[in-house]
Amino acid sequence: TQLLEQSPQFLSIQEGENLTVYCNSSSVFSSLQWYRQEPGEGPVLLVTVVTGGEVKKLKRLTFQFGDARKDSSLHITAAQPGDTGLYLCAGDGSGANSKLTFGKGITLSVRP
Amino acid sequence: GAGVSQSPSNKVTEKGKDVELRCDPISGHTALYWYRQSLGQGLEFLIYFQGNSAPDKSGLPSDRFSAERTGGSVSTLTIQRTQQEDSAVYLCASSPSRVTEAFFGQGTRLTVV
Repeated sequence: TQLLEQSPQFLSIQEGENLTVYCNSSSVFSSLQWYRQEPGEGPVLLVTVVTGGEVKKLKRLTFQFGDARKDSSLHITAAQPGDTGLYLCAGDGSGANSKLTFGKGITLSVRP
Repeated sequence: GAGVSQSPSNKVTEKGKDVELRCDPISGHTALYWYRQSLGQGLEFLIYFQGNSAPDKSGLPSDRFSAERTGGSVSTLTIQRTQQEDSAVYLCASSPSRVTEAFFGQGTRLTVV
């Protein structure tokens, strides 16, 4: 079973602060996805990283895939209240019958 | 519709009753997932359908839970003899293939009283 550990589980910060959260596994993934879920909605894809060492930027969000493709980080610069939500990472397994595996998520609260 | 549709959006049921939750995936998507999410928590995997392959039922918490996917499209999650601990949001997601982006519905909020 491929497990994804996300940390920290909860994070509450002030508007304007920077933060980094993590998604770690002992398994290698072909690709890794980050989703954000807002209250009352389903998760929505933010980004997919595929290549080891890859860095992708989405406005104030920077995503990095580890060189060994076992871990990923999400850095948010100058957080805003609109960034509040549950951040989930998901990795694809290997093999014909594998599926997307989700981590438990990181609950981020950005205070005005 | 353009997205994943789940019905009902809210369901209140009495303990011991059976419930059926429906998911209409995006047309043409071969992969379909069911997840459960308790308040403020992450996603708990329940079951996964991929094309004509046997479903991955490894996440179903008990034999009271079952799911089927008819004709490779619509899926129904059935919970028999509901218990209060079954109260949660049940999310369905579909994907064009095995491990590409998952598109989620808005979920069904189940409350067992």
